[in-house]
Amino acid sequence: KQEVTQIPAALSVPEGENLVLNCSFTDSAIYNLQWFRQDPGKGLTSLLLIQSSQREQTSGRLNASLDKSSGRSTLYIAASQPGDSATYLCAVVNYGGSQGNLIFGKGTKLSVKP
Amino acid sequence: DAMVIQNPRYQVTQFGKPVTLSCSQTLNHNVMYWYQQKSSQAPKLLFHYYDKDFNNEADTPDNFQSRRPNTSFCFLDIRSPGLGDAAMYLCATSLSIGTGSYEQYFGPGTRLTVT
Repeated sequence: KQEVTQIPAALSVPEGENLVLNCSFTDSAIYNLQWFRQDPGKGLTSLLLIQSSQREQTSGRLNASLDKSSGRSTLYIAASQPGDSATYLCAVVNYGGSQGNLIFGKGTKLSVKP
Repeated sequence: DAMVIQNPRYQVTQFGKPVTLSCSQTLNHNVMYWYQQKSSQAPKLLFHYYDKDFNNEADTPDNFQSRRPNTSFCFLDIRSPGLGDAAMYLCATSLSIGTGSYEQYFGPGTRLTVT
């Protein structure tokens, strides 16, 4: 059974710092991995999608990497800003699983202090 | 802008009183999903529609049902809400496996309170 773990559960950094969020998964037979952002009481905003054949994706100050063999992904945020404060969730889609079923980690709650 | 819309954003219902949550999309995606997210927990898939085909997750309680009358709309029915059903309900859409993407787009969610 696929399990997704995110460490740390919470992170507080000063504005301007570069930071890395970690995601690990137990079954490497994934179709893709997706990173989301969730603001308090709100829905999910897709940040980056990495297909299983890809190693990384970039969007603005965000860079996500994927190492399927080790079951790990990282989300790198450059020059963090207070507006980046949110919970970041990673999720994977398994091969052969329920159509597109995203299996989520519990998230990392990020706080960027001015 | 193409989007996923959920109504209402906040719903209060009484214990045991049936409630329906609504989701609509302008993305013309053929797959629609309902997730349940309890406080400080990861979202959990309840079921999804692949076109008109309904797919229920094995551990989704019978108390939860869904309808998809057309491509654009999908409803979540909770027949007899219990206190444990209080949660954020998230609707998402994606294109089918044929496109190879599986990227899911989420609505803003409906926060359900059961009194």
